[in-house]
Amino acid sequence: DTAVSQTPKYLVTQMGNDKSIKCEQNLGHDTMYWYKQDSKKFLKIMFSYNNKELIINETVPNRFSPKSPDKAHLNLHINSLELGDSAVYFCASSQEAGGLFFGSGTQLSVL
Amino acid sequence: AQSVTQLDSQVPVFEEAPVELRCNYSSSVSVYLFWYVQYPNQGLQLLLKYLSGSTLVESINGFEAEFNKSQTSFHLRKPSVHISDTAEYFCAVSRGGSQGNLIFGKGTKLSVKP
Repeated sequence: DTAVSQTPKYLVTQMGNDKSIKCEQNLGHDTMYWYKQDSKKFLKIMFSYNNKELIINETVPNRFSPKSPDKAHLNLHINSLELGDSAVYFCASSQEAGGLFFGSGTQLSVL
Repeated sequence: AQSVTQLDSQVPVFEEAPVELRCNYSSSVSVYLFWYVQYPNQGLQLLLKYLSGSTLVESINGFEAEFNKSQTSFHLRKPSVHISDTAEYFCAVSRGGSQGNLIFGKGTKLSVKP
């Protein structure tokens, strides 16, 4: 019954590898997001999709590519991982007047 | 540009004491304001929000926040905290008219001690 679910929960990988994080929401929301939380707990928006269409892309390196096959899914693919990509990545969804609903996060560690 | 300042990075309190977590924002346009709570190793959960109307908003677990336009503040208060309130609290302001494109403060770690 999880509203916003993302996998995997933990991701440990070597520099230079390519990895993906998957996200699904069963709330029927039209808009989905990726947020990044750094080691100091600072949260910043990366991308937003509305009904499969990209509406926000916040100066994120083009090694990060979101993909939304349908409005319930928003995946994040990262190419050529760097040490600085280590963070917790949160998927979220929203509907008007509802605020953001977050997934439980994916902790990415790049070695 | 909009911004959010949480004035305290850590707030230690004893159980059953009152607490106030401070949040100030800057914006040249009307905003929506939010408080989110993050328990260890979990995602953020919406605690309460101000969209319009009454400036005092309440959550189901006893927290309240008051929107003060003249002081550009949205402080979070609880008259009596529990051990289970120990968590990180984030204040956020909407960017434009979107309730999902948010600018977050740096968080306040609330530690409730017995």
